[in-house]
Amino acid sequence: DQQVKQNSPSLSVQEGRISILNCDYTNSMFDYFLWYKKYPAEGPTFLISISSIKDKNEDGRFTVFLNKSAKHLSLHIVPSQPGDSAVYFCAASRYGQNFVFGPGTRLSVLP
Amino acid sequence: GAVVSQHPSWVICKSGTSVKIECRSLDFQATTMFWYRQFPKQSLMLMATSNEGSKATYEQGVEKDKFLINHASLTLSTLTVTSAHPEDSSFYICSAQQGTEAFFGQGTRLTVV
Repeated sequence: DQQVKQNSPSLSVQEGRISILNCDYTNSMFDYFLWYKKYPAEGPTFLISISSIKDKNEDGRFTVFLNKSAKHLSLHIVPSQPGDSAVYFCAASRYGQNFVFGPGTRLSVLP
Repeated sequence: GAVVSQHPSWVICKSGTSVKIECRSLDFQATTMFWYRQFPKQSLMLMATSNEGSKATYEQGVEKDKFLINHASLTLSTLTVTSAHPEDSSFYICSAQQGTEAFFGQGTRLTVV
């Protein structure tokens, strides 16, 4: 049973528009969440994190929202750029250990 | 951010041989490192947790005698795929823990022919 779900395998967005990537988790004990970006044949690179004591964290064009009651988090990218095209993974953990990854969402930003 | 170096980035080996992959934290000490495997179009799957100076903890379904993990120092963990078979061909990624964040190596593409 998947503990971390990303129900959209792919997403296409026009350059300059907002990209919204969603992630749902089932384990209420998770208290620390991260988003990673991955290009083909490379390791994931860290994007942004959020702990369960917050409901929003912002870093430049990237904002992560956490809805604990719904066990849902989302990553907003505004404005989207062609270089943002990659696979985005959300990951959940307890105390920042042993991250559980979602299956990823492939984002394509169209020029 | 912190840098984790993984080597080699790709390797081709013959079936039955062993391959060693290194994961180094370059500018920090990591008491805990993780090894992941990614199958095509699937999520990263945690294989094992490597703790410096002790035995690795393997996830269910991962053969510890096949995937040997050694974490001999605070900056180096190695994964050895022993007697590799074509089904072991995959993308292997390590990560090193710093605080509550994990930093990833570049990954190793293993192809067993």
